Amino acid sequence: DAKTTQPPSMDCAEGRAANLPCNHSTISGNEYVYWYRQIHSQGPQYIIHGLKNNETNEMASLIITEDRKSSTLILPHATLRDTAVYYCIVGPGGGNNRLAFGKGNQVVVIP
Amino acid sequence: NAGVMQNPRHLVRRRGQEARLRCSPMKGHSHVYWYRQLPEEGLKFMVYLQKENIIDESGMPKERFSAEFPKEGPSILRIQQVVRGDSAAYFCASHKDRSSDYGYTFGSGTRLTVV
Repeated sequence: DAKTTQPPSMDCAEGRAANLPCNHSTISGNEYVYWYRQIHSQGPQYIIHGLKNNETNEMASLIITEDRKSSTLILPHATLRDTAVYYCIVGPGGGNNRLAFGKGNQVVVIP
Repeated sequence: NAGVMQNPRHLVRRRGQEARLRCSPMKGHSHVYWYRQLPEEGLKFMVYLQKENIIDESGMPKERFSAEFPKEGPSILRIQQVVRGDSAAYFCASHKDRSSDYGYTFGSGTRLTVV
């Protein structure tokens, strides 16, 4: 599995957009970028995934650079409930695969 | 739709006892994954199962741990002769077979405490 690099922690202001970076310089051509988050003591929650194109859903937007070596997860209007550990993971698509979680990025939304 | 159901939520076992953790995947999901999260650490993959088959058990400790996903009923993660180091949160995730939705759905976990 390709490795990802995320900052260990970051703070975001409530109501503002939160931009979470991720580097995955060794990603291979058929690997997707997945984002999950884990709110304290709960099970991880799927957020979004993408291959090449930018993606948006009701939770977030995913911006992938043209060379696919990095990506940014955007939470458009951060709320206190978005405080969580965010995991950026790369891996094969199509399901049926184990996901390798790293240490993630502890995001704290500040009032 | 009910999500992924795990029970019990909390389990306390004395050293040497057996722990049985249950996971009922989402309706229509035939793939189950087990992960372990030690205190203050990330999630570590343990095993991937489909109905009646173990697909990938590369993350399972060689001894004392086993998993099954029978044709009927929940997936079971079994830990025999538990030790203090087995204390952790165990999460189960399920996935739909060959779906365009690649997101896994996780349960709320079972917190195992070995005393």
